[in-house]
Amino acid sequence: DGGITQSPKYLFRKEGQNVTLSCEQNLNHDAMYWYRQDPGQGLRLIYYSQIVNDFQKGDIAEGYSVSREKKESFPLTVTSAQKNPTAFYLCASHFLTGQTGYTFGSGTRLTVV
Amino acid sequence: KQEVTQIPAALSVPEGENLVLNCSFTDSAIYNLQWFRQDPGKGLTSLLLIQSSQREQTSGRLNASLDKSSGRSTLYIAASQPGDSATYLCAVPPGNTPLVFGKGTRLSVIA
Repeated sequence: DGGITQSPKYLFRKEGQNVTLSCEQNLNHDAMYWYRQDPGQGLRLIYYSQIVNDFQKGDIAEGYSVSREKKESFPLTVTSAQKNPTAFYLCASHFLTGQTGYTFGSGTRLTVV
Repeated sequence: KQEVTQIPAALSVPEGENLVLNCSFTDSAIYNLQWFRQDPGKGLTSLLLIQSSQREQTSGRLNASLDKSSGRSTLYIAASQPGDSATYLCAVPPGNTPLVFGKGTRLSVIA
């Protein structure tokens, strides 16, 4: 079955550590996205990529980095510069034609310990 | 900048009621509008996608309407069930740019 796989489901980060969240899709979608979800704040866009080897910052990109070396993969690194990383992270993808909607992964919950 | 507002923020209804969730957006230049469902601690599940040229879409007990000129969409849920309890989110892409989300309506259906 086609879909988006996010891993791990739960992730714990120590102060000063970089961690990487994985997002893989087998839908042949062109574009991929990372959103952050905090209670009461809705979903906020971190980064997105509409083509391999290219990506754009979203509204809250500071402290995060991404890469898009393959069409199927869009990993997100939460760096030590991100001062408040505890949140639920969601990856999404879709066709740029817009004829189909976005598909989301099941999310990764990141907690600072 | 596109802003999406969902009213009410929370709703509690007895089982069997028909209900309407509201979504409004500030920029009517949208390609489409998508309604999602989110269960606690889970990802988003797409419910309905309405293209900008359409007025409504239906899936089972769900019906979503779109009025671009007034910047509004409604999600109608018929004969609500306890299993419908979740947070419902609407989202629009401003042009060919990423989805902008409302903060959602948290629905509780009481048996």
